[in-house]
Amino acid sequence: DAGVIQSPRHEVTEMGQEVTLRCKPISGHDYLFWYRQTMMRGLELLIYFNNNVPIDDSGMPEDRFSAKMPNASFSTLKIQPSEPRDSAVYFCASSPHRGSYEQYFGPGTRLTVT
Amino acid sequence: KQEVTQIPAALSVPEGENLVLNCSFTDSAIYNLQWFRQDPGKGLTSLLLIQSSQREQTSGRLNASLDKSSGRSTLYIAASQPGDSATYLCAVGGSARQLTFGSGTQLTVLP
Repeated sequence: DAGVIQSPRHEVTEMGQEVTLRCKPISGHDYLFWYRQTMMRGLELLIYFNNNVPIDDSGMPEDRFSAKMPNASFSTLKIQPSEPRDSAVYFCASSPHRGSYEQYFGPGTRLTVT
Repeated sequence: KQEVTQIPAALSVPEGENLVLNCSFTDSAIYNLQWFRQDPGKGLTSLLLIQSSQREQTSGRLNASLDKSSGRSTLYIAASQPGDSATYLCAVGGSARQLTFGSGTQLTVLP
């Protein structure tokens, strides 16, 4: 398996623009997680899905952030409008339904908003 | 709310030393605990996962222990190598599958 795939790997955009981050989980994994990593706050869970349904979005910072999972192999995290304080590395992770609940992380998307 | 603390924040050791990284958490009602490695500019690589019912897990030169009652975990690295240089993150898993991360220990192994 190719592991969790994220795109783009790097994104530079101007304040006010819409940004869409993409994630393909490991095939067969029922859980998908979006995290954000910053120097100030470390790694924080934003939202997670089970069987394509959002379970907990309490970590989403504000209404400018939205996430969708239209099918088992694809999820998006959208920021509209983007702000400089959204600059961070965004990670996607997936986990199987059964077993140890171990989470497998993608390589991340480094977002810079100028 | 679960809080995870990792001490020290940074550690520098000469090659060949055995070392211990510490992780503490405030809520002992955990489902599991995962140790990750993160290289600069890279994603997270899972090293070891300990279920709440387990006391330790081993993989090669790595050994992770868990003491739920005291809210502590340690990652022991034997015979450290320069290639072990990275940031090590401890993450506590709750019953709802969410992970709460510590801020990490940045390890440098000097040749």
